[in-house]
Amino acid sequence: DAGITQSPRHKVTETGTPVTLRCHQTENHRYMYWYRQDPGHGLRLIHYSYGVKDTDKGEVSDGYSVSRSKTEDFLLTLESATSSQTSVYFCAIMAGDTYEQYFGPGTRLTVT
Amino acid sequence: AQSVTQLGSHVSVSEGALVLLRCNYSSSVPPYLFWYVQYPNQGLQLLLKYTTGATLVKGINGFEAEFKKSETSFHLTKPSAHMSDAAEYFCAVSLEYGNKLVFGAGTILRVKS
Repeated sequence: DAGITQSPRHKVTETGTPVTLRCHQTENHRYMYWYRQDPGHGLRLIHYSYGVKDTDKGEVSDGYSVSRSKTEDFLLTLESATSSQTSVYFCAIMAGDTYEQYFGPGTRLTVT
Repeated sequence: AQSVTQLGSHVSVSEGALVLLRCNYSSSVPPYLFWYVQYPNQGLQLLLKYTTGATLVKGINGFEAEFKKSETSFHLTKPSAHMSDAAEYFCAVSLEYGNKLVFGAGTILRVKS
């Protein structure tokens, strides 16, 4: 257990509404990541952070934004949710210099 | 761009039989390679990794994988399958800067009694 929590764990929202997912870690890791998981695609990187206020885009960043104002929290925002953003979202941290990433329990988001 | 191919979206083995899950990657530089396992409705758990050094790496739950540069492969094996090994397995390659992971599509392992 890498001390990663995600909230909410489940959410149903309507098309066009903003949604924010939260990832919280307790062990002061520098690197944090947001992935989405879809059948047949594995996991794909949305955004990542390499420190407070330092973020960068991943493979599928369109329609998503992130913020990291504190080391322990990494927020993912869908500015205007679309049905194509229905997915399971995972947060991850990199443990020190090990290159090992550890994942949170996930958030299942449904956009109707 | 980096990519990962997992051959076989579903693999079925009998309990006690060899497990072989295939992973090939494309990379212009020596990669860091990982295998993760996901049980239903759970997050991903790291099984093993290759970064440098010995090309045969051992992981948890009796799994191991061998990095073969000439074949650009990192296949996952276990000598004897157990019912508890039934899960989805993901191979991933790391882009060194930022350690961004690129995942394969996953292989669902079924273990028959």
